[in-house]
Amino acid sequence: EEQLVESGGGPAKPGGSLRLSCAASGFTFSSHTMNWVRQAPGKVLEWVSSISSNSRYIDYADSVKGRFTVSRDNTENSLYLQMTGLQVEDTAVYFCAKEVGAYLLDSWGQGTLVTVSS
Amino acid sequence: DIQMTQSPSTLSASVGDRVTITCRASQSISTWLAWYQQKPGKAPKLIVFKASDLQSGVPSRFSGSGSGTEFTLTISSLQPDDFATYYCQQCYTYSRTFGQGTKLQIK
Repeated sequence: EEQLVESGGGPAKPGGSLRLSCAASGFTFSSHTMNWVRQAPGKVLEWVSSISSNSRYIDYADSVKGRFTVSRDNTENSLYLQMTGLQVEDTAVYFCAKEVGAYLLDSWGQGTLVTVSS
Repeated sequence: DIQMTQSPSTLSASVGDRVTITCRASQSISTWLAWYQQKPGKAPKLIVFKASDLQSGVPSRFSGSGSGTEFTLTISSLQPDDFATYYCQQCYTYSRTFGQGTKLQIK
């Protein structure tokens, strides 16, 4: 069974940093592009970042470009999101999601909550 | 960026009803559209891809249609488990834009 488990969320101050992790199991992690998608409380889904299977291709939403860095470790079946310069607007549940085909997200973790507040 | 607009934002219906949710893209995306179901406190679940293909394990009462800029998700006979929020997503460009969601609630 495919499983994605996020961790690393929690409270942070504006301007602070957090590092999210996503542990994958049940599928060949190294074969898939992986994504981070976030959802502010009571709000809609927002794609944040993607990283190709070999880390060659990386994309970011404009809202996080220059502040967030996505990475992966295929030997550890893990995905990461380093978040710096956090803003109140970054408060959200962050999901990691596995991609199949073109930009299609077929498997999601349960999410980890990031709360940015002074 | 491609914008995705769903309607209605909220839909009240009863068990057994047939319901349709619409999603419009700001430019043509061919059939590169997916639908997700999300329940409170849970992760989204993929239910339809390529506009009309049902994800494995999804009941046949769900169906998707459309191409270009206009798409629909139809549930032929609502079941209690179907009350949730539904999101469309364009799978045409890297920005992977989602619609604003349609909350399907019990009448």
